[in-house]
Amino acid sequence: GESVGLHLPTLSVQEGDNSIINCAYSNSASDYFIWYKQESGKGPQFIIDIRSNMDKRQGQRVTVLLNKTVKHLSLQIAATQPGDSAVYFCAENIGDDYQLIWGAGTKLIIKP
Amino acid sequence: KAGVTQTPRYLIKTRGQQVTLSCSPISGHRSVSWYQQTPGQGLQFLFEYFSETQRNKGNFPGRFSGRQFSNSRSEMNVSTLELGDSALYLCASSPRGGRTNEKLFFGSGTQLSVL
Repeated sequence: GESVGLHLPTLSVQEGDNSIINCAYSNSASDYFIWYKQESGKGPQFIIDIRSNMDKRQGQRVTVLLNKTVKHLSLQIAATQPGDSAVYFCAENIGDDYQLIWGAGTKLIIKP
Repeated sequence: KAGVTQTPRYLIKTRGQQVTLSCSPISGHRSVSWYQQTPGQGLQFLFEYFSETQRNKGNFPGRFSGRQFSNSRSEMNVSTLELGDSALYLCASSPRGGRTNEKLFFGSGTQLSVL
C-alpha cells in the first residue's frame, strides 16, 4: 500500500549545526504534509506543515521543503540545540478525510 | 488551557482480558483520534470521532472499538487482548478534524503491556 518513509533512522548532529531530516512519500495525490516531534515519554508535537501548492515554508528555526517531482519532503532545523533531541515523524494526508499516514521516524541525536 | 489527558498512563493486562482507555481532549475540541504506536509499525491510525460519531476507521480488527461522549471525551476498548496489542496508545484532539487539515494535539499516551 501507500506509505511514507524516512531515509535515515538515526541522525547525529553537532550542537549548533543545522539538521536536515528527509522523508519520501509515494502517493502523488497527497496534498498535505506535516512534521511532528516526539520527545521521550511524550506524545508527538506539531512542528510545521505544508500544502502541496507550496515548495517551502518557514517557522521558528525550522523550514520544510517539498519537492513534488521526486516526492520528497525535508525538515531543516537551524542551529540545533539539545532540546531538539527527539524522534521526528513526517506524515501525509491522503484523501478527503483527516487520516494521517505516518513515516517510521528519525531519531535526532545532538552531540555536545 | 489544559492539554490532552490520557488515563491511565501505564497498564498491564494478560492475554484474553479486555481494556478501556480514556482520553479527555482539549476544551472546545470536538475531534478525537486514536493511534497505536509500536517500535516495529510506527504510528498507525485506529479511528477518529467527531460529535459522538465515528467518521474514520483504520485497518484494525473489530476487537478495537471506541466511542465518544457528548462532552467530547473518548474511550477506546480492546477486547480479547493479544500479546501483539502491547503498544503505546495515543489520543489526539483537534477543533474540527476532517477536511480542515488541522494540526493534532496529542496526549502522552497509555502504555499497554499484555503478558
